[in-house]
Amino acid sequence: DAGVIQSPRHEVTEMGQEVTLRCKPISGHDYLFWYRQTMMRGLELLIYFNNNVPIDDSGMPEDRFSAKMPNASFSTLKIQPSEPRDSAVYFCASSPSGGYSGNTIYFGEGSWLTVV
Amino acid sequence: GDSVTQMEGPVTLSEEAFLTINCTYTATGYPSLFWYVQYPGEGLQLLLKATKADDKGSNKGFEATYRKETTSFHLEKGSVQVSDSAVYFCALSDRGAQKLVFGQGTRLTINP
Repeated sequence: DAGVIQSPRHEVTEMGQEVTLRCKPISGHDYLFWYRQTMMRGLELLIYFNNNVPIDDSGMPEDRFSAKMPNASFSTLKIQPSEPRDSAVYFCASSPSGGYSGNTIYFGEGSWLTVV
Repeated sequence: GDSVTQMEGPVTLSEEAFLTINCTYTATGYPSLFWYVQYPGEGLQLLLKATKADDKGSNKGFEATYRKETTSFHLEKGSVQVSDSAVYFCALSDRGAQKLVFGQGTRLTINP
């Protein structure tokens, strides 16, 4: 069974450019999460979806960030315009239900973003 | 709000040493508790979990017991190996929250 698939694995872009990160969750999972990992702030939840509907986007840093889930098998996280402080590892994760009740949340391998 | 606090890292041990990584939590309800592990260059993998007080989660020689009275979920292993070198994250998911809240992570290095 394929895990959570993210692309690109690595991206280097110039400040001001648009960045789009992509995620394919595990088939049958109805929750999808976007996390960001940095040395300074650790792992932060940016947004999560249930059945393709955004449930909590309180972690999205600012209007430059947007996330969509047009269908059950695809989600994007977009940064426009990108800034050097956006450099981080962005993880997508999915779950057959929420993390509550001990159901496992499965993580992708991450998209390593560097903005120069 | 909910939060998780882990012991400061990095932690460096010799092979076959005993490991403890402390984790305490704050939650308004009765959370499920998790330990995730992140190997270099990879995503997070679930190591073990516990869903109610006094439950013990275990996997690959690691154990953690859900202690409601001390709001703790300390990770232990009796004899660590070089291959255990990784970053370990304690996390909780509170009733109805449908998301994980992570601690800051503890980097563990095991020397041969």
